[in-house]
Amino acid sequence: EAGVAQSPRYKIIEKRQSVAFWCNPISGHATLYWYQQILGQGPKLLIQFQNNGVVDDSQLPKDRFSAERLKGVDSTLKIQPAKLEDSAVYLCASRLAGGPYEQYFGPGTRLTVT
Amino acid sequence: GENVEQHPSTLSVQEGDSAVIKCTYSDSASNYFPWYKQELGKRPQLIIDIRSNVGEKKDQRIAVTLNKTAKHFSLHITETQPEDSAVYFCAATGSGGSYIPTFGRGTSLIVHP
Repeated sequence: EAGVAQSPRYKIIEKRQSVAFWCNPISGHATLYWYQQILGQGPKLLIQFQNNGVVDDSQLPKDRFSAERLKGVDSTLKIQPAKLEDSAVYLCASRLAGGPYEQYFGPGTRLTVT
Repeated sequence: GENVEQHPSTLSVQEGDSAVIKCTYSDSASNYFPWYKQELGKRPQLIIDIRSNVGEKKDQRIAVTLNKTAKHFSLHITETQPEDSAVYFCAATGSGGSYIPTFGRGTSLIVHP
């Protein structure tokens, strides 16, 4: 079974630039998560999708962050404009819909904002 | 929303000793509690989980206990090995049925040979 795919793996941008991350979940996984993990901290949920609908985006800084999952499969997370404090690893995870099933994480994208 | 506290932030043990990491949660409606291991530069991986209808679960050297009344759950690792060295995260989820997870801040476990 193929895992969760993410790209790019690393990105360095200057503040005020924009950046986009891509995630391809495990086939058949209707639930998809984007997390922000700052060094030394636990993953912080940014947004949760069920198919192409948003379940929770209460911690997504909507003035600069946006995410979409148009066809209920792949997802993109965008930051525009980036700030220094956005430097983090952005993790995508997916799981089966319904009950408390295991989340599978992708390898993450390490973003450095200079 | 849910709040998860995790202690200690760092735990240093000798090989062969036991290690215990504790988490508390605030939302009594949470009903699923996974534990993840994250090695340096790698993705978090599930090592064990427990549902609220179970008080204890064991998998070889790893066990998790849950006290719903006190709203805390713990990870126990016995006979620790150097390869157990990593950051461990607890999480609480399930409130409202949408399984929105809240993670603890992590515990850095160091096992000295």
